[in-house]
Amino acid sequence: LAKTTQPISMDSYEGQEVNITCSHNNIATNDYITWYQQFPSQGPRFIIQGYKTKVTNEVASLFIPADRKSSTLSLPRVSLSDTAVYYCLVAEAGGYQKVTFGTGTKLQVIP
Amino acid sequence: NAGVTQTPKFQVLKTGQSMTLQCAQDMNHEYMSWYRQDPGMGLRLIHYSVGAGITDQGEVPNGYNVSRSTTEDFPLRLLSAAPSQTSVYFCASRRGSTYGYTFGSGTRLTVV
Repeated sequence: LAKTTQPISMDSYEGQEVNITCSHNNIATNDYITWYQQFPSQGPRFIIQGYKTKVTNEVASLFIPADRKSSTLSLPRVSLSDTAVYYCLVAEAGGYQKVTFGTGTKLQVIP
Repeated sequence: NAGVTQTPKFQVLKTGQSMTLQCAQDMNHEYMSWYRQDPGMGLRLIHYSVGAGITDQGEVPNGYNVSRSTTEDFPLRLLSAAPSQTSVYFCASRRGSTYGYTFGSGTRLTVV
């Protein structure tokens, strides 16, 4: 499994765009990149996944450079409700996978 | 609503007691997993299953047993509870062709 490295914490003001970068230097050819959001006292919630280039959905965008050794989760115009822990995971494509979570990035949105 | 249901939500055990944490999903997902989350830490994989009748160990399997007799259910058994097993336990499931897990709301377990 590709090991991931994320900042432990980040602060941002409301209305700003937030970018959280994850390093995964040993990502394999068939691995996908996934991001989760976790609020206190809740289970993680799947946000977005991608393989390469850019993916956008109603919640976030995911930017993946050509070498795929890192990825950046972008949250547009954050609000206080975006305060949460964000996890980056690298998952093996297809078949069985053994998914493990790191410690994530704690995002604090400030009024 | 469809999803992953965990019971109970809270539980207090005495050291040495055994119990089963229940997990059920109604989405016909092949993959199911159990995680534990300790304060200030990420989630650690306990056991997982890729289908009915198939289970395997994760990072921290000691002290826990699982079985998967049906696609829907994946109970986690604590054989002899220890204070080190005080944690929040999450069950998750996903379809084999996708990458996003659906998590339950968790069981907060305290062992005294």
